[in-house]
Amino acid sequence: EPEVTQTPSHQVTQMGQEVILRCVPISNHLYFYWYRQILGQKVEFLVSFYNNEISEKSEIFDDQFSVERPDGSNFTLKIRSTKLEDSAMYFCASSSGGLSEQFFGPGTRLTVL
Amino acid sequence: AQKVTQAQTEISVVEKEDVTLDCVYETRDTTYYLFWYKQPPSGELVFLIRRNSFDEQNEISGRYSWNFQKSTSSFNFTITASQVVDSAVYFCALRILTGGGNKLTFGTGTQLKVEL
Repeated sequence: EPEVTQTPSHQVTQMGQEVILRCVPISNHLYFYWYRQILGQKVEFLVSFYNNEISEKSEIFDDQFSVERPDGSNFTLKIRSTKLEDSAMYFCASSSGGLSEQFFGPGTRLTVL
Repeated sequence: AQKVTQAQTEISVVEKEDVTLDCVYETRDTTYYLFWYKQPPSGELVFLIRRNSFDEQNEISGRYSWNFQKSTSSFNFTITASQVVDSAVYFCALRILTGGGNKLTFGTGTQLKVEL
């Protein structure tokens, strides 16, 4: 069964460093998303992406964040200068249509020291 | 703005008991979608069900059932004859159509512990 994959599973970085989190959505899906979950808290929407552009972003998704679909298969989230409060589990998701269910990847745990 | 409330932070049951997880949502939109996701200890988010606002039929899938009541803005989830493998955090989520981004708004989750 097709699934969303994410790499790495765990990333440790120093405050102020740039990180890139990678996702491979399900191959025939057209809508892509990033969410994050701070430990023990609820899942929060960051950004949605369709047709090579951002369709919606949350207040969390400030200028330090960017997304890209560099080729036909990958979808990346970049954090330019990480802060301690960026430590969280980051989930990528994809859906075949805008109204379809979103399928989530296993997540990347980001730890900022 | 939309909001999802899961008032039960944690529920503990003994195996084979039935358990209901509550979800109350708020939105001004008349068209919306409701979801349940399961997050087992391994951390991934597993899709369970999607419901649109025009379909108030209850749904049953094996030991799982969902009760959608528009009048009370609730979308409750019942597990019948619970099993240890059901132990997880369960999230209810809402998606409205305005905004264009199809974002999911999640509740805070209910931690379900099923013990022997």
